[in-house]
Amino acid sequence: KAGVTQTPRYLIKTRGQQVTLSCSPISGHRSVSWYQQTPGQGLQFLFEYFSETQRNKGNFPGRFSGRQFSNSRSEMNVSTLELGDSALYLCASSLVVNRGRTDTQYFGPGTRLTVL
Amino acid sequence: LAKTTQPISMDSYEGQEVNITCSHNNIATNDYITWYQQFPSQGPRFIIQGYKTKVTNEVASLFIPADRKSSTLSLPRVSLSDTAVYYCLVGDAGGYQKVTFGTGTKLQVIP
Repeated sequence: KAGVTQTPRYLIKTRGQQVTLSCSPISGHRSVSWYQQTPGQGLQFLFEYFSETQRNKGNFPGRFSGRQFSNSRSEMNVSTLELGDSALYLCASSLVVNRGRTDTQYFGPGTRLTVL
Repeated sequence: LAKTTQPISMDSYEGQEVNITCSHNNIATNDYITWYQQFPSQGPRFIIQGYKTKVTNEVASLFIPADRKSSTLSLPRVSLSDTAVYYCLVGDAGGYQKVTFGTGTKLQVIP
C-alpha cells in the first residue's frame, strides 16, 4: 500500500506570496493532520481534518488554512507568507477506528518551504 | 493532552541497549502512550504504543509502570542507523488528532 505523499517536496517563495501544499493520505485513511516543523519550535500541530471537516486547530494565525476533499486528500494554504513560515510542513494520515486511543499517524516526507 | 518531559539528548555506543524515559504526570485514564522516531528531513515514524505494563514489537519495547506517570522506550542493541530523534506522545484522540509532540530526545549512536 502506498504511503502518504506530499507535493511539492521543495518550494521557494517570497514574502507576501501565498502557497498551497498538497497531501494524499494512505488509501482508506480518513483523517489528515498537518504539522509545521522548525529548528526552533519543533513539531507543531496546525490542524486536523476528518470527513472534509476541520476537527482540531492548533495555535496558528488565520493565514494558515486547509481543507479536505471527499477522497480524503487535503491541501493547506498559507497566505501572505512571512520569513518565519520557512519550515518543513508535514502531513500525517490515520485510520481513525479506535475511540480512546491515539490512532497511529503515518507521516509523509514533508514539503520544505523556504520564504525569501 | 498530557504534557511530556524527555531528556533532550542521549549518547550510546553501538550494540548497547538504550532506554529513553518519558515523564507524563498528568496522564489521564483513557490516554495511550506512543513513541515516534524521526530522521532528519523526514516525517516521524511510529515505533510502539502501549497503555500499561509492557509492550514489545520487532523494533522496541515499551515499559509502563502501574501508576503510568512515566514510560520507558527500550531499544535493544542499537546501531548507527538508530541515530534519530525520539518523541513520546500521550493522549486520547477519542477520534480526534490534536497531538502535541514534545521536544523529543536526540539519540546519537557512537561507533
